[in-house]
Amino acid sequence: GNSVTQMEGPVTLSEEAFLTINCTYTATGYPSLFWYVQYPGEGLQLLLKATKADDKGSNKGFEATYRKETTSFHLEKGSVQVSDSAVYFCALSANTGNQFYFGTGTSLTVIP
Amino acid sequence: NAGVTQTPKFRVLKTGQSMTLLCAQDMNHEYMYWYRQDPGMGLRLIHYSVGEGTTAKGEVPDGYNVSRLKKQNFLLGLESAAPSQTSVYFCATRELASYYNEQFFGPGTRLTVL
Repeated sequence: GNSVTQMEGPVTLSEEAFLTINCTYTATGYPSLFWYVQYPGEGLQLLLKATKADDKGSNKGFEATYRKETTSFHLEKGSVQVSDSAVYFCALSANTGNQFYFGTGTSLTVIP
Repeated sequence: NAGVTQTPKFRVLKTGQSMTLLCAQDMNHEYMYWYRQDPGMGLRLIHYSVGEGTTAKGEVPDGYNVSRLKKQNFLLGLESAAPSQTSVYFCATRELASYYNEQFFGPGTRLTVL
C-alpha cells in the first residue's frame, strides 16, 4: 500500500539554524512527492514537489530530493527564520488511484 | 480568483444536530476532497469526488455524507453530530489528468460538537 512516515515533532530551532525534517514513503508504482506547509489558522499550501526519482524540489530556500533508493524525501533549509514557524506535511500521490497520502505533520518553531 | 473557499469558518453544534459544510472552487478542477485534521493524526480523507455527480469514500467516511451536484461545489453533511466529529475540516481540489498535480486547500472549518 501507500503511506508516508514523517519525523515526529515538535522541533524547536534558533534563527539561522539548519533544518532537516525526515520523510520516508512506501508506494506501489511511481509516486510524486510533496511538501506542504500550514501556518497557524490557515489551510495547507504547497511548498515544493518532485515528480520522479532524483528530482529536487525547491522553494523559499527549502529543498527536498526524491531518493528512490532510500524511499525518502527529506526537507532541508540552510538557515531558518522565525517566519518559517509552521507545521510541515510530507505527502505522496501514487500513479494509481486518486488520493493523496499525508504524513502526520511536523511542527516547527523558530525562536529569535 | 478566490481559489477554494469554505463556509462556515467556525461552528458549534450540540450532539445530534445536523449541518452542512460547503466547499466552493473557481479553478474548474475536477477532483474535490474533504479531510479532517486532528492533533497528532495529520489529515484523514473523509470522502472525495472525481467529477460532477460522483462521490467516493475515503479513510473515515462513517457519520458523513457528501454531494457534488455542481462541479464547483462539494458539500459535506453531518446528519447527527457526535463529539468525536469535533475537528478542523479542510476541502481540497485537484486538476484532472495527472498524479503529479498538487492539491489546493481551502482555509478550513473549525467544528465543535458539544
